[in-house]
Amino acid sequence: SQQGEEDPQALSIQEGENATMNCSYKTSINNLQWYRQNSGRGLVHLILIRSNEREKHSGRLRVTLDTSKKSSSLLITASRAADTASYFCATGGGNSGGYQKVTFGIGTKLQVIP
Amino acid sequence: NAGVMQNPRHLVRRRGQEARLRCSPMKGHSHVYWYRQLPEEGLKFMVYLQKENIIDESGMPKERFSAEFPKEGPSILRIQQVVRGDSAAYFCASSPPSLATDTQYFGPGTRLTVL
Repeated sequence: SQQGEEDPQALSIQEGENATMNCSYKTSINNLQWYRQNSGRGLVHLILIRSNEREKHSGRLRVTLDTSKKSSSLLITASRAADTASYFCATGGGNSGGYQKVTFGIGTKLQVIP
Repeated sequence: NAGVMQNPRHLVRRRGQEARLRCSPMKGHSHVYWYRQLPEEGLKFMVYLQKENIIDESGMPKERFSAEFPKEGPSILRIQQVVRGDSAAYFCASSPPSLATDTQYFGPGTRLTVL
């Protein structure tokens, strides 16, 4: 079964509004990452938050992590039409063997209406 | 510094043919990962390779699929005798050998269409 599940599956907002997407996961993690995917394109890494962190900021992005609830949220403030994309959370299971198996959710489709 | 490169970007095959997808990791990266994305779905892990070694192939279908990452040249994902259900976007990611880095860098993907 999928490790990460994003909620909502689709979100439509007006330009300038804030967009909040949530991600829940099942097992313990070392880190959680958010990626953006524009239609028909590859994934772009947005932000990584480690299991011992609670909040992280990057420009207009704010990510929170609640390990007790096994959930994370991605907030995009002052949204722009260019933010229209699918957003995925991905959980990293640790560095055993020197690598990190990353498991993706099914994504949230965000549409920002100009 | 070029990012992860994948080619071809689009590949059309008829049922029963072979598909070869290539991935050149970022310079200095020795870890390569392959993912498959079906329409309207997230990415599913397929295989993790280091140079000349398959480390984790737990996401690879047991038959028809194989992957390699030779000492020289790109990583190859090979699908033999393709079927319609293989139509998907296949993404490659790479990461450096350092344990301190958790981020994987993704290529633009290869979109495979099986007719």
